[in-house]
Amino acid sequence: DGGITQSPKYLFRKEGQNVTLSCEQNLNHDAMYWYRQDPGQGLRLIYYSQIVNDFQKGDIAEGYSVSREKKESFPLTVTSAQKNPTAFYLCASSSGQGNTIYFGEGSWLTVV
Amino acid sequence: QKEVEQDPGPLSVPEGAIVSLNCTYSNSAFQYFMWYRQYSRKGPELLMYTYSSGNKEDGRFTAQVDKSSKYISLFIRDSQPSDSATYLCAMSAEGGATNKLIFGTGTLLAVQP
Repeated sequence: DGGITQSPKYLFRKEGQNVTLSCEQNLNHDAMYWYRQDPGQGLRLIYYSQIVNDFQKGDIAEGYSVSREKKESFPLTVTSAQKNPTAFYLCASSSGQGNTIYFGEGSWLTVV
Repeated sequence: QKEVEQDPGPLSVPEGAIVSLNCTYSNSAFQYFMWYRQYSRKGPELLMYTYSSGNKEDGRFTAQVDKSSKYISLFIRDSQPSDSATYLCAMSAEGGATNKLIFGTGTLLAVQP
């Protein structure tokens, strides 16, 4: 089945550690996105990529890094510089036509 | 003031009720409007997509856009317990500009059997 796969679903991290969240899509979409979701704040865009080997900062990129070496993959690294990393992280993709994006199932990151 | 305002709820209704979910916005340039449904601990899924003003119907769901009032609504007829979820509105001004989608904070709906 076509879709977006995020892993792991749940992740615990100690303060000071970097962690990488995986996102893979088999929808043949050119554009991919990372959002962060916090209670009462809605979805906030971290990074996006509209083509392989190119990505742009979103509204809250500080403390995060990404890469886009393959069309199917867009991993997100949450670095120790991110002050408040505990959140629900959503990966998404779109064909680039129209305005609809499709989401993965999300990854829960908790800093302990 | 946020660009998109959405009542967080929770909204609790009995099974079979008609549900009205709403968003207001301040940017008159918005012309692409979406509704997403998000079950607990899951990713959002696209429910409805409309362009400019007017109504769009899909089964028990109707999306309505009133650009003159900067107000969009999602109506759910004959609501079911399986409709219990958080509903997010999203909108943008430019076609194809999915990097510029603005989301509401979501309304939590509970349909009681």
